[in-house]
Amino acid sequence: QSVLTQPPSVSGAPGQRVTISCTGSSSNIGADYGVHWYQQFPGTAPKVLLYADTNRPSGVPDRFSGSKSGTSASLSITGLQAEDEADYYCQSYDNSLIGWVFGGGTKVTVL
Amino acid sequence: QVQLQGSGPGLVKPSETLSLTCNVSGGSSSSSSYYWSWIRQPAGKGLEWIGRIYTSGSTNYNPSLKSRVAMSVDSSTNQFSLSLSSVTAADTAIYYCVRGYYDSRRPLDFWGQGTLVTVSS
Repeated sequence: QSVLTQPPSVSGAPGQRVTISCTGSSSNIGADYGVHWYQQFPGTAPKVLLYADTNRPSGVPDRFSGSKSGTSASLSITGLQAEDEADYYCQSYDNSLIGWVFGGGTKVTVL
Repeated sequence: QVQLQGSGPGLVKPSETLSLTCNVSGGSSSSSSYYWSWIRQPAGKGLEWIGRIYTSGSTNYNPSLKSRVAMSVDSSTNQFSLSLSSVTAADTAIYYCVRGYYDSRRPLDFWGQGTLVTVSS
């Protein structure tokens, strides 16, 4: 059972918008710790997609965006493309566990 | 460019100790800004944070693994290590060494390629 809760899967047609939620609690997201998102393709290590809630590292397309409110955060992909098919994980810090916590991961399928 | 390269036995017997090392290149493991961490991923499953070690040597471990985990860092060789004792089949996973920060608003920005460890007799 992951500390942060994500839907196991989301899907959409090319060009559509999909949103992945990440729900935490007052000891992590709700305490205003940064939420980060990682993209992972099969057989490779996760890679930073968004950091500190809404920021994109250099090279990440602007169709990826993030938001945060209260104890939840979300990742949106607008203009979904076939190459976006991957697993996505949210991550934050938890002051009760005194460490980093992850969501269970969401598999994005492009129909 | 920072690179992390994990290494260690790919096969460990049940009840024995899993030991992995991560070599840091292109940067220094002694920088005061960084946490050095281990994260694992069983096949087909999600990411699990194992623990982290600061350059001062202070550690934080996942409570679910705390009784079996030990981490160390050697600034002179730019390496950090993981030891997980009394392993079972449930510890079979890809183990990633990762760089993180004291500042929670900074992500886990560099990941090793992952080391597959299988626990089996």
